[in-house]
Amino acid sequence: DADVTQTPRNRITKTGKRIMLECSQTKGHDRMYWYRQDPGLGLRLIYYSFDVKDINKGEISDGYSVSRQAQAKFSLSLESAIPNQTALYFCATSDRTSGRRRETQYFGPGTRLLVL
Amino acid sequence: RKEVEQDPGPFNVPEGATVAFNCTYSNSASQSFFWYRQDCRKEPKLLMSVYSSGNEDGRFTAQLNRASQYISLLIRDSKLSDSATYLCVVSNGGAGNMLTFGGGTRLMVKP
Repeated sequence: DADVTQTPRNRITKTGKRIMLECSQTKGHDRMYWYRQDPGLGLRLIYYSFDVKDINKGEISDGYSVSRQAQAKFSLSLESAIPNQTALYFCATSDRTSGRRRETQYFGPGTRLLVL
Repeated sequence: RKEVEQDPGPFNVPEGATVAFNCTYSNSASQSFFWYRQDCRKEPKLLMSVYSSGNEDGRFTAQLNRASQYISLLIRDSKLSDSATYLCVVSNGGAGNMLTFGGGTRLMVKP
C-alpha cells in the first residue's frame, strides 16, 4: 500500500463550486504539505502543517484553505473554484526527526483538477 | 528571478550517452540540496541528495558549487528508463526547512 494517498485522483468541477482534496499518510510523519504544479512553473507551496495544531500559509494560499484533522490527514479546500486553479495538486510529508540535511519530502500520487 | 532555475530542455540523447544538467539557486543561505525525478503525470520522487563534496549513486553523480551557487547532475550510460523530468530542489535550512523546486529539466533517451 502507498504511504501517502490522495483522493480523488481526478476531479472536474465548475466555477464557484467548493471542493475538498484529501491526503492521508501512514508514514508517521509530523509534517504535511500541499503543492500545486503548473507546466513550466514547478511545484509551488500552498499550505503546510508541522503538527495538528500548526497551520501555515505558503507561497500561494489565496483561494485555498486547509484542515489538519489528525497527524495522518491533511485536507485542502477550494472555497469557490476558479479556472486558474486548474492544476496538478500534490500532498507531501516529511519527518523533522531525520535532521535538516536529511529531511526530504515524500509525495502522494497527485490529484488532477480541472475547473470549468 | 526564480529562486531555483533550470534549463527546461528537452535534452534528447541516445542510449548510452552521458548527459549533464545544471541548476542555479539564488539564496546563498540554502542548506540542503536534492535532485528529484518526476515521471510524466506522476509524483516527484527523491533521486539523490547532493553533498558538498559531491556524491555518486551508480550512474548518477551530483556536484555542488556553493561559491557559484549551482548544482549539477551527471547521468552516465543513459537508459531508456532514465527518460523523465529532473527537479532541482533546495532547502532554506530555516526552522521549517522548506523546499524550493526548480521548474525541472526534461530528459528523453532515445534507442
